[in-house]
Amino acid sequence: GESVGLHLPTLSVQEGDNSIINCAYSNSASDYFIWYKQESGKGPQFIIDIRSNMDKRQGQRVTVLLNKTVKHLSLQIAATQPGDSAVYFCAENMRSWGKLQFGAGTQVVVTP
Amino acid sequence: NAGVTQTPKFQVLKTGQSMTLQCAQDMNHNSMYWYRQDPGMGLRLIYYSASEGTTDKGEVPNGYNVSRLNKREFSLRLESAAPSQTSVYFCASSEPPGGGSPLHFGNGTRLTVT
Repeated sequence: GESVGLHLPTLSVQEGDNSIINCAYSNSASDYFIWYKQESGKGPQFIIDIRSNMDKRQGQRVTVLLNKTVKHLSLQIAATQPGDSAVYFCAENMRSWGKLQFGAGTQVVVTP
Repeated sequence: NAGVTQTPKFQVLKTGQSMTLQCAQDMNHNSMYWYRQDPGMGLRLIYYSASEGTTDKGEVPNGYNVSRLNKREFSLRLESAAPSQTSVYFCASSEPPGGGSPLHFGNGTRLTVT
């Protein structure tokens, strides 16, 4: 079946640098995508979402890019801080289905 | 405004015991969900409730039952716990039903079955 996946299980980033987390999806019918952050011992926390009629969306220090041609989603974090250390998940949804499908997650480690 | 509240936070069961995981949301969301999270496998949907009075199976429903008690509450029951059900369980809610909006998660119930 089609699924969401992440390219890198672990990403080490120096404090102050920009982070880029990648996600590949294979379900061409997906039309809504979300990034979540999960800190140890907590539930996933919504970061930013994007619909398939957009290719870029910006939030506070975060930008999500969607490339439908190659079915690729990325999350960029500007000026990464120690508090950004967490596991990041991408998720896709087909509106007609109404349920999110999650990738396995990637661990971001911010080093001083 | 607490968001999504799950109880208990931790639980240890012996094989064959039963228990109910409780979930309540105060965001007036129509849809609620139960996921389990296992290392390296991401979040997998167990059951969901698109609206009050309806429930449907997700990806991994075997061994579980759910009850949508009212708009706020959605419980998950393990009738006869098995070691394979050792996991972290997350409840979530969203609006509107049918997708197209982010899920809001609780902080999870960590369940160990021995």
